[in-house]
Amino acid sequence: QAQLVESGGGVVQPGRSLTLSCAASGFIFSSHAMHWVRQAPGKGLEWVAVIWYDGSNKYYEDSVKGRFTISRDNAKNTLYLQMNSLRVDDTAVYYCARGRLAGDYVGAFEIWGQGTMVTVSS
Amino acid sequence: IQMTQSPSSLSASVGDRVTITCQATQDINNYLNWYQQKSGKAPRLLIYDASNLEPGVPSRFSGSGSGTDFTLTISSLQPEDFATYYCQQYDDLMLTFGGGTKVEIK
Repeated sequence: QAQLVESGGGVVQPGRSLTLSCAASGFIFSSHAMHWVRQAPGKGLEWVAVIWYDGSNKYYEDSVKGRFTISRDNAKNTLYLQMNSLRVDDTAVYYCARGRLAGDYVGAFEIWGQGTMVTVSS
Repeated sequence: IQMTQSPSSLSASVGDRVTITCQATQDINNYLNWYQQKSGKAPRLLIYDASNLEPGVPSRFSGSGSGTDFTLTISSLQPEDFATYYCQQYDDLMLTFGGGTKVEIK
């Protein structure tokens, strides 16, 4: 059974850094594009970033470009999100998600983790 | 690409037919997905590519539309369907979600 488990969330001061991890199991991790999606408290869903199955391409939502870096280690079946220069408005639950199909497909998010909370506050 | 959902919330009774719409600011072909999210839980994929039912999703859910205008329909609302629903486009690699529609009990 495909599963994603996020970790690394917590409370951090504005301007500091934090790295999130997402451990995958139950599917061939190296075959799927992976995403990060976030949800601020009481708000809607916001896509954050995607990385191709082989790490060859990465795309980011405008507000995180230059501050966040998505990466993956296919040998460890793990996805990462390095978050630098954190701002109060980055406060959210961060979900990792897997695309529905393998390969270059970046469409529907079929498998989701349970989310990890990041709170940016002084 | 901006995605606009309407209504932002609605009240309905068990057994009602419910329709939620999603409009894109430009043609997104059929690259439109629908999700259900219950309070405190991760979203669940319901419909992909505008009209395809994700395996395991009840047949009372259906999707339609193309171009810029899309619809999610619940043919007979069940107690477990009270949740927030989101549309999401992937025609553009800057993937975007609609603002959500909260379906509440009347």
